[in-house]
Amino acid sequence: AQSVTQLDSQVPVFEEAPVELRCNYSSSVSVYLFWYVQYPNQGLQLLLKYLSGSTLVKGINGFEAEFNKSQTSFHLRKPSVHISDTAEYFCAVSVDFGNEKLTFGTGTRLTIIP
Amino acid sequence: DAGITQSPRHKVTETGTPVTLRCHQTENHRYMYWYRQDPGHGLRLIHYSYGVKDTDKGEVSDGYSVSRSKTEDFLLTLESATSSQTSVYFCAISRPVGGAGGLNEQFFGPGTRLTVL
Repeated sequence: AQSVTQLDSQVPVFEEAPVELRCNYSSSVSVYLFWYVQYPNQGLQLLLKYLSGSTLVKGINGFEAEFNKSQTSFHLRKPSVHISDTAEYFCAVSVDFGNEKLTFGTGTRLTIIP
Repeated sequence: DAGITQSPRHKVTETGTPVTLRCHQTENHRYMYWYRQDPGHGLRLIHYSYGVKDTDKGEVSDGYSVSRSKTEDFLLTLESATSSQTSVYFCAISRPVGGAGGLNEQFFGPGTRLTVL
């Protein structure tokens, strides 16, 4: 079975500073990787995904993530954060093609400090 | 917006009572999912469906049952609610994305906040 680890439960960052949210996964087969964002009192929204090909993936709102197979990581980055980026971020993995059941990490709460 | 609605959006109930949550989609996608979200656990899959009357268990299925008699509706039932089932419940659908060679993406509904007293 696959698993996802998000070691940082909370990350405070000053506005306009860069941020990296860490995600590591474990799987015996090839994976598809996702980052979702959840704004306060809302559902989940897809930020970006890695399916195959280029290991650097760009998503919405200026976020990007890099797939590193040797380190089994898929860290999320943004060069300059804004107050509006305050949210909870979830990394997820799927190993099925056609029925993409997701296994989620426990989430990282990003707080932007003005 | 993937046309997913959940009802009710909020519910308070008492231990031992049955509860049914409804997920409705407007796009006739084959795969539908129920997750629960709890602090420190992220989202965990309860049950999923791959077609009318075709369902399977997820990671945390104990105490829950599901039914799908129509493509557009996926019901989650707590036969006898317990306080440990207090949670936020999310429904999701899986739909194809362009240029992905058949891979699907999951889109989530707005969630139902359930409190079991």
